[in-house]
Amino acid sequence: NAGVTQTPKFRILKIGQSMTLQCTQDMNHNYMYWYRQDPGMGLKLIYYSVGAGITDKGEVPNGYNVSRSTTEDFPLRLELAAPSQTSVYFCASSYGPLNYGYTFGSGTRLTVV
Amino acid sequence: QKEVEQNSGPLSVPEGAIASLNCTYSDRGSQSFFWYRQYSGKSPELIMSIYSNGDKEDGRFTAQLNKASQYVSLLIRDSQPSDSATYLCAVKNRAGSYQLTFGKGTKLSVIP
Repeated sequence: NAGVTQTPKFRILKIGQSMTLQCTQDMNHNYMYWYRQDPGMGLKLIYYSVGAGITDKGEVPNGYNVSRSTTEDFPLRLELAAPSQTSVYFCASSYGPLNYGYTFGSGTRLTVV
Repeated sequence: QKEVEQNSGPLSVPEGAIASLNCTYSDRGSQSFFWYRQYSGKSPELIMSIYSNGDKEDGRFTAQLNKASQYVSLLIRDSQPSDSATYLCAVKNRAGSYQLTFGKGTKLSVIP
């Protein structure tokens, strides 16, 4: 019973490099989300998806991209990494749109130097 | 801009006492309310959800919702040192909106 699995757990990037944060869930949830969490700033929504093939921007999408080719996978792509993208990234999934909370992955701690 | 406000704390309570955590939200159309617990260096964990005005109890936890005052709270009875964590209030807005809006969290410290 894995839930939401994120990889990698830690990563150091140099400015200008790119990477993909992986997220997989095995609960057959249609709704998936990417958040970033900065100290004292709370969780901010980057992108979300309501099903395979459907994605939309959240509050802070600049510098990121996503795809959703399957129900299980929702990777987050960082292009041209910048120090402002240093953060902890959480992937989450949900069974339904309204009266359901999220199940979070364990997070990816990313540092851009 | 939909906002969820929480006192950042830290809130310190002695072991065995009641901890009271509060949250206000700006969007009157909000319909679902959640409390998450986050230990340092870990991911948020759902502990309570509430949808209707009034109280909802689950073990030592009670969530309270007052939509007229746009206020939701979490009471933790018989607080234990293991309850020391940051508590995040989260709100889902109108039907058809899919995102949770989170508060910045209240850090709770239970003193043995």
